[in-house]
Amino acid sequence: QQQVKQSPQSLIVQKGGISIINCAYENTAFDYFPWYQQFPGKGPALLIAIRPDVSEKKEGRFTISFNKSAKQFSLHIMDSQPGDSATYFCAATTDSSNTGKLIFGQGTTLQVKP
Amino acid sequence: NAGVTQTPKFRVLKTGQSMTLLCAQDMNHEYMYWYRQDPGMGLRLIHYSVGEGTTAKGEVPDGYNVSRLKKQNFLLGLESAAPSQTSVYFCASSPIGGANTEAFFGQGTRLTVV
Repeated sequence: QQQVKQSPQSLIVQKGGISIINCAYENTAFDYFPWYQQFPGKGPALLIAIRPDVSEKKEGRFTISFNKSAKQFSLHIMDSQPGDSATYFCAATTDSSNTGKLIFGQGTTLQVKP
Repeated sequence: NAGVTQTPKFRVLKTGQSMTLLCAQDMNHEYMYWYRQDPGMGLRLIHYSVGEGTTAKGEVPDGYNVSRLKKQNFLLGLESAAPSQTSVYFCASSPIGGANTEAFFGQGTRLTVV
């Protein structure tokens, strides 16, 4: 049972384009939604995160849009660059367990063509 | 600044052999985690620890054991390796267990069981 579903599995975007990755979750107890970026041969690293009390969070070219009623959130990468080519994971966790356990989506491999 | 260090980086095991993966962090973090990454599955939590001397099961604990005898180290053991345990293993640590916290990942251990 996949509690966080991510799509698409892979994505090819031209340089300067917009990359969009979508995630949906089931557990309404989730209250923190981070995105992690992973380059080949490296471990994932936190990119940006959002709480469900806001509908959007922006950091530079990266934006999270959050729809609490639909239980969906998405990552938008504006002006995509070849250096953004990586695997992106959405994740979810709940504060109430106080364990920091992350439930990850399946991952999206992004390729930005020059 | 070492962060989270995993040893070894690569290993090939024969079915039935045992091994231990070592994770060391130098950030004085309380919480530590072992995840496995498989294609199309994202990262799944195997075991975790909320402090020295504690361990708990994650999503996919079967076939693995862990120990946290020292705060900075988290060991993952495979007693009798199976081909289904072929995967990339990631260790992570975080300073606190609630949401709104960042998990810091090691560079991974690629394990092949033949």
